[in-house]
Amino acid sequence: DGGITQSPKYLFRKEGQNVTLSCEQNLNHDAMYWYRQDPGQGLRLIYYSQIVNDFQKGDIAEGYSVSREKKESFPLTVTSAQKNPTAFYLCASKWERDTEAFFGQGTRLTVV
Amino acid sequence: GENVEQHPSTLSVQEGDSAVIKCTYSDSASNYFPWYKQELGKRPQLIIDIRSNVGEKKDQRIAVTLNKTAKHFSLHITETQPEDSAVYFCAAVGGKLIFGQGTELSVKP
Repeated sequence: DGGITQSPKYLFRKEGQNVTLSCEQNLNHDAMYWYRQDPGQGLRLIYYSQIVNDFQKGDIAEGYSVSREKKESFPLTVTSAQKNPTAFYLCASKWERDTEAFFGQGTRLTVV
Repeated sequence: GENVEQHPSTLSVQEGDSAVIKCTYSDSASNYFPWYKQELGKRPQLIIDIRSNVGEKKDQRIAVTLNKTAKHFSLHITETQPEDSAVYFCAAVGGKLIFGQGTELSVKP
């Protein structure tokens, strides 16, 4: 089954803990993206990667980190430095240039 | 940096009316402009897109127009139906994939 998969769907974290969100795609896409979505808000770009072993900060990168060691995988770590991490996180992937981006089903992170 | 502005943030129409959502972008290098629909609790899905060498594109009840000179693009939905109710996002692609703030469309029966 081809596509882009995020896990877990729901995640609870205690304050002060780091947590890693998984994003895997088998579409052979070059570019991958992480977005944060708050209630009633748009999609804000956290990090993106256009090739393996390279990534760039988006608009709200503070308190987050990523890696891109494999083309298929782009995990996002929410660190304890992120002051308000409770949100819905969406991962997307696409080929470069003018092509459609496909989204994972999202991870809802709640800090308790 | 690159920015996409989207208006209005909320839009309420009667079933059968038309709905128009407008976006502007700042990055002159943007050459691809997709529109996504997101239903509550679900992932965004592409509904239509337009490339920079085209001024208008239509797919049944949905159309998109692009004015590259003014850096404006718009989504037009005709004969709206209750199932069109959702949040709609515009986006511009240059180097990054940048989204507008979203428009919550409500179609009243």
